[in-house]
Amino acid sequence: EAGVAQSPRYKIIEKRQSVAFWCNPISGHATLYWYQQILGQGPKLLIQFQNNGVVDDSQLPKDRFSAERLKGVDSTLKIQPAKLEDSAVYLCASSLYNSPLHFGNGTRLTVT
Amino acid sequence: KQEVTQIPAALSVPEGENLVLNCSFTDSAIYNLQWFRQDPGKGLTSLLLIQSSQREQTSGRLNASLDKSSGRSTLYIAASQPGDSATYLCAAAQTGANNLFFGTGTRLTVIP
Repeated sequence: EAGVAQSPRYKIIEKRQSVAFWCNPISGHATLYWYQQILGQGPKLLIQFQNNGVVDDSQLPKDRFSAERLKGVDSTLKIQPAKLEDSAVYLCASSLYNSPLHFGNGTRLTVT
Repeated sequence: KQEVTQIPAALSVPEGENLVLNCSFTDSAIYNLQWFRQDPGKGLTSLLLIQSSQREQTSGRLNASLDKSSGRSTLYIAASQPGDSATYLCAAAQTGANNLFFGTGTRLTVIP
């Protein structure tokens, strides 16, 4: 079984620039999650999709972050404009209902 | 809002020792409790998922317990090995949709 794929692995941008991350979940997993993990902290949920509908985006800074899940499969997370405090690892995960989450290796974002 | 705490933040043990990692959560109305392992620069790997109706789950040398009434979970690792060195995170799901609240993790080092 192929795992959750994310790209890019690393990204360095200047503040006020924009950036996008891509995620391909495990085939058949209806639920897709984007988490933000700041160094030394546990992951924090940004947005959760069920198929292509949003289940929870209460912690997504909507003035600068956006996400979409096309056709209920791949997903992209965008930040525009980026701030210094957005430096973190962005993790994508997928799962079946009430089943363990499967995580990708993440994208490490550095904002300078 | 659910808050998850893990103690200790870091732990070093000699190879072969048995050890216990602790996790506490403030809202006992959880759907499940999950334990993950995170290696440096990697995503999270699911270790064990305990449903709210269960008291424990076992996988190999790992045993996780859940006491909802006291808001606690423990991860027991038997006969620790250097390959067990990683950060261990627990997370509480408030619904079956797996909207997880993570602790900050315990960084385990097993000394050969």
